Amino acid sequence: NAGVTQTPKFQVLKTGQSMTLQCAQDMNHEYMSWYRQDPGMGLRLIHYSVGAGITDQGEVPNGYNVSRSTTEDFPLRLLSAAPSQTSVYFCASSYSQGVEQYFGPGTRLTVT
Amino acid sequence: GIQVEQSPPDLILQEGANSTLRCNFSDSVNNLQWFHQNPWGQLINLFYIPSGTKQNGRLSATTVATERYSLLYISSSQTTDSGVYFCAVMDSSYKLIFGSGTRLLVRP
Repeated sequence: NAGVTQTPKFQVLKTGQSMTLQCAQDMNHEYMSWYRQDPGMGLRLIHYSVGAGITDQGEVPNGYNVSRSTTEDFPLRLLSAAPSQTSVYFCASSYSQGVEQYFGPGTRLTVT
Repeated sequence: GIQVEQSPPDLILQEGANSTLRCNFSDSVNNLQWFHQNPWGQLINLFYIPSGTKQNGRLSATTVATERYSLLYISSSQTTDSGVYFCAVMDSSYKLIFGSGTRLLVRP
């Protein structure tokens, strides 16, 4: 199993540009989530999904959209990037809500 | 929401020393995880430990859910143990809440 994979590893955007961060898992996990990590801080939950077709907001959802059309994939969309969205983004998954979560390698995003 | 506090914020050890990292949380939790973030930024699962004690090699963890704290023990530390250690708790809505971490540097 590849586990949780994320692409790209690094990305630089200009203010106002849009992009999609990709996340995939091959463990048949129902629960997937997105976090952001800012310097010197722990991770904060952006959005999560308890299964295909079901998504909900986390602690810091503004400026981000998600959808979950398949069990394997959970992309995160930035519609109009802002410098405040400069961060490292992590995707995570678990076989159900409420159990141990496993994290991908992260995407480092810089918005200028 | 739940507050998660980790201590100490920074820790410097000589190789071979032992250490204890603490995680306090402000309310009942559904589960608790410890992670190691290595210098390359990767998050590595150490323990999934809602209660009780677990051991994995030189590392062990204890969670006392009724008193709302968890401890991570590192024995005979090695330079590869350097990085940031995060405690994360799951609240009643099954959301994972992270502490700010303990930054550990192990010197040779």
